[in-house]
Amino acid sequence: KAGVTQTPRYLIKTRGQQVTLSCSPISGHRSVSWYQQTPGQGLQFLFEYFSETQRNKGNFPGRFSGRQFSNSRSEMNVSTLELGDSALYLCASAPSGQETQYFGPGTRLLVL
Amino acid sequence: GENVGLHLPTLSVQEGDNSIINCAYSNSASDYFIWYKQESGKGPQFIIDIRSNMDKRQGQRVTVLLNKTVKHLSLQIAATQPGDSAVYFCAENRSSGSARQLTFGSGTQLTVLP
Repeated sequence: KAGVTQTPRYLIKTRGQQVTLSCSPISGHRSVSWYQQTPGQGLQFLFEYFSETQRNKGNFPGRFSGRQFSNSRSEMNVSTLELGDSALYLCASAPSGQETQYFGPGTRLLVL
Repeated sequence: GENVGLHLPTLSVQEGDNSIINCAYSNSASDYFIWYKQESGKGPQFIIDIRSNMDKRQGQRVTVLLNKTVKHLSLQIAATQPGDSAVYFCAENRSSGSARQLTFGSGTQLTVLP
């Protein structure tokens, strides 16, 4: 099976802009989670989607949002970008009924 | 606070030796733990997991030990190889019900010396 894929792999934006990141889970996986990784804060949970519904949410401001489509693909959006949003954004998928999450390569976002 | 933390940020071992990476957690309600390996420029790669009803689980060259009494988790890598050089994270699943939310430790950089 193909692994989790994320697009784009790299992105440069300026403050105030918005960005949309995409994630395609492993075939058959219905749960998709998003994480932010920074040198200072480490890996932090953003949110989890299952069957197009947000099932869990971390402690991030409302500028961070996401959605999931009927084919389980997911997108996350960050509006009004701030310099501190520069990070590696990771997507992970998991099969129904199992807790193990499998990560994609991430999208590296740089906000200037 | 309730964080999953690691005792050592860096670990250097000789090729062929065994490696032990430690992790402390504080949420006694966590019932599922995972070790991930992250190489530079890549996403975390699943290594091994363990449930709280177990105290030991073995994989290929890796063993995870769980001590719930002191809330301690460790990853043992046998016959460490250069390809094992990476950052290792422990993570706990603090979610309730069917939701998933992994909380990660700060990571340990493992360097394998020739």
